[in-house]
Amino acid sequence: KQEVTQIPAALSVPEGENLVLNCSFTDSAIYNLQWFRQDPGKGLTSLLLIQSSQREQTSGRLNASLDKSSGRSTLYIAASQPGDSATYLCAVTDGDFGNEKLTFGTGTRLTIIP
Amino acid sequence: GAVVSQHPSRVICKSGTSVKIECRSLDFQATTMFWYRQFPKQSLMLMATSNEGSKATYEQGVEKDKFLINHASLTLSTLTVTSAHPEDSSFYICSALTGDYGYTFGSGTRLTVV
Repeated sequence: KQEVTQIPAALSVPEGENLVLNCSFTDSAIYNLQWFRQDPGKGLTSLLLIQSSQREQTSGRLNASLDKSSGRSTLYIAASQPGDSATYLCAVTDGDFGNEKLTFGTGTRLTIIP
Repeated sequence: GAVVSQHPSRVICKSGTSVKIECRSLDFQATTMFWYRQFPKQSLMLMATSNEGSKATYEQGVEKDKFLINHASLTLSTLTVTSAHPEDSSFYICSALTGDYGYTFGSGTRLTVV
């Protein structure tokens, strides 16, 4: 059974700093990995999607990497801003073809201190 | 991009009544939709997978008669919480499978049963 873990569970950093969020998964047979953002009481916003054949994806100040063989992904946020404060979730898609499932990590609650 | 609309965003109901939550794909056809549940400070847990025109597939431990899922068209899936009880109070989120096995999420529904 796939298990996805995110470290740290919570992180506070001063505004302007660069930071890295970590995600690990136990079964490397994945189709892709996604990073999401969730604001309190809100739904999920997809940030980056990395296919299993890719090593990284970039969008603005965000860069996500994927090391499928070691079961790890990182989300790098450059020049953090107070608006980046949210919970960040990573999720992997795996399962048999036609029966794919998305397994979520436990999340990292990020607070950017102005 | 693909948008999923979920309604209502908040609902309060009395114990013993039923509540219906709708999830619509606005600009694409979603043959597969997913329903998740999230308890406070926990990650999302998949409840069921619904495929248009067929019965939903429920995860282990999820009561089929309690959480009725209907996916009658390519743009609409509904989750009905029947005979709701306070322990059903939670945050429910739907998502739809888009291209490249990416997912788009609804904005979520906060259900409070009193």
